[in-house]
Amino acid sequence: GAVVSQHPSWVICKSGTSVKIECRSLDFQATTMFWYRQFPKQSLMLMATSNEGSKATYEQGVEKDKFLINHASLTLSTLTVTSAHPEDSSFYICSAKGQGAFSGANVLTFGAGSRLTVL
Amino acid sequence: AQKITQTQPGMFVQEKEAVTLDCTYDTSDQSYGLFWYKQPSSGEMIFLIYQGSYDEQNATEGRYSLNFQKARKSANLVISASQLGDSAMYFCAMREGRAAGNKLTFGGGTRVLVKP
Repeated sequence: GAVVSQHPSWVICKSGTSVKIECRSLDFQATTMFWYRQFPKQSLMLMATSNEGSKATYEQGVEKDKFLINHASLTLSTLTVTSAHPEDSSFYICSAKGQGAFSGANVLTFGAGSRLTVL
Repeated sequence: AQKITQTQPGMFVQEKEAVTLDCTYDTSDQSYGLFWYKQPSSGEMIFLIYQGSYDEQNATEGRYSLNFQKARKSANLVISASQLGDSAMYFCAMREGRAAGNKLTFGGGTRVLVKP
């Protein structure tokens, strides 16, 4: 089946540093990837949609300069949290829609998530 | 307005019994898809079941079934014969429009705790 690998699964960093999170589709080509953020005991909120080879589309209220998204290939999208602050601490999850992915085009496949803690 | 509403923040269910998780949605699109995902404490999102707006029959996947009432705009999840491993957060989500690459909007979630 379709597998999405997300790395790192958890990261702790100091305030002011930048952190990169990778999202890879392992057995299919992901034309579109979505990045979600989930605060404790809350739902998933979409941050941005990235399409391979083009600029990401950000949801209202999400700072594009702070959350840099790159989807340079059909199997890799990255989210970089720049100049991270404690309020950026959250669970970040990517999901991917593939070309002819397992279960058809109806289902997105999610990564296991990355827990970011900014000290 | 909330597009996906899950009114039950938490539920207890006895092992081996069935449980129904409520989900109502709001959309003006004629074509849309409804999903249920399970999120255990590890954080991964596990796809459970899908219902398309044009599907005439309710979706079923093993112990999961979706009670789709289009006129009421509800898509309740029924878990039969609950198991201890069913303890998790459950999210209802909607994809609007025909495009399979369209984004999902999630409800607030329901935490289910299965008691032995």
